Amino acid sequence: QAGLTQPPSVSKGLRQTATLTCTGNSNNVGNHGADWLQQHQGHPPKLLSYRNNNRPSGISERFSASRSGDTASLTITGLQPEDEADYYCSTWDSSLSAVVFGGGTKLTVL
Amino acid sequence: EVQLVESGGGLVQPGGSLRLSCAASGFIFSDHYMDWVRQAPGKGLEWVGRIRDKPNSYTTDYAASVKGRFTISRDDSRSSLYLQMNGLKTEDTAVYFCARFMRQAVAGRFWPYGMDVWGQGTTVSVSS
Repeated sequence: QAGLTQPPSVSKGLRQTATLTCTGNSNNVGNHGADWLQQHQGHPPKLLSYRNNNRPSGISERFSASRSGDTASLTITGLQPEDEADYYCSTWDSSLSAVVFGGGTKLTVL
Repeated sequence: EVQLVESGGGLVQPGGSLRLSCAASGFIFSDHYMDWVRQAPGKGLEWVGRIRDKPNSYTTDYAASVKGRFTISRDDSRSSLYLQMNGLKTEDTAVYFCARFMRQAVAGRFWPYGMDVWGQGTTVSVSS
């Protein structure tokens, strides 16, 4: 089942800004936008952002999302050690009638 | 407190069956779509399937990898979600999470708000 494309890893320094990308097509990201989830090792995922640029209550303003065409992005400013985690994008795919996930990006904070 | 608690995982032989449960509390379970998502050891998240609510006829969708083998059901009176897994394969080995898929009605239509509540997961191992 086709999924979304994310870079496997990104490394940035403390207090720097990281931008993670998620590329799909017109059936998924281009039409429905994307959600972003954060997962720390050994824990369930946590919703960071939905429908491109909406944050659930309690999520830091350091996390912001956007979309341009078929690519969604998650920007994390002022990187902290606790931001080191795996990040996944997901959305509905109209052609598959299924939710698709990206393969995940492992963010390392140096 | 809004909570989801999965149970029913375990070790099963290839070709066997298992039924997972997800108990919801702290919210009106019947109002929500519910998803199952799994994660194989050391791998990423994989969506398994979704069940909609009563107004949407409890319709279901499944990932191609499990269609015809897995069945999602729910009992709104018990605030519980289920995943019946038949014909299990070694590649079904994973942690299985249930998740609430949030939607809200705004200006006359429902908008998706993502999988906003997750359980801790239950582990399924398929091995001979």
